[in-house]
Amino acid sequence: AQSVTQLDSHVSVSEGTPVLLRCNYSSSYSPSLFWYVQHPNKGLQLLLKYTSAATLVKGINGFEAEFKKSETSFHLTKPSAHMSDAAEYFCVVGALTGTASKLTFGTGTRLQVTL
Amino acid sequence: DGGITQSPKYLFRKEGQNVTLSCEQNLNHDAMYWYRQDPGQGLRLIYYSQIVNDFQKGDIAEGYSVSREKKESFPLTVTSAQKNPTAFYLCASSIFGMNTEAFFGQGTRLTVV
Repeated sequence: AQSVTQLDSHVSVSEGTPVLLRCNYSSSYSPSLFWYVQHPNKGLQLLLKYTSAATLVKGINGFEAEFKKSETSFHLTKPSAHMSDAAEYFCVVGALTGTASKLTFGTGTRLQVTL
Repeated sequence: DGGITQSPKYLFRKEGQNVTLSCEQNLNHDAMYWYRQDPGQGLRLIYYSQIVNDFQKGDIAEGYSVSREKKESFPLTVTSAQKNPTAFYLCASSIFGMNTEAFFGQGTRLTVV
């Protein structure tokens, strides 16, 4: 079985300051891990994914995440927040079921960016 | 442009009625999925399909039904047996593989009136 825990339901930062969204995972196998972003009433957009090629993964819009197996963590960071980053972020762990990738979602972290 | 199209964007249903949500993809993906999103609960898997004419129940399939007659299409029917259908529904698709991401549509917001 696999699971994901997002440690903060809400994070508030000032524009220009660093962002840290925390995620811990549990997986029976070597996991595939993703971060998605969702703006209000929209679908989900992939930010980045961990493919085991490198532990530090760079994504779109300046985001990156580091896979730490010893801590079972996959935290999302950005050096400097922008107002447009305000959205909900989901950490996701994937498992292969036949030909389908079954994704298990965390409960989400709402990022608020203030002036 | 390639992508996933969900329709309608907003849907209102009277209690006791069945409604069907449409999902079409032109990405040539084999796998398709339906998720339900409720505030504070993330996304939960309703059904998924790996190939045409085959589908499996996800974690919350009760009160829902699907079909996969074409590779491009994966409609979801919310039946009257679903006791709390008001939610945001997201369709997704993916190619085969462990590290492949899912691509999402823009969602359908269903409200029971």
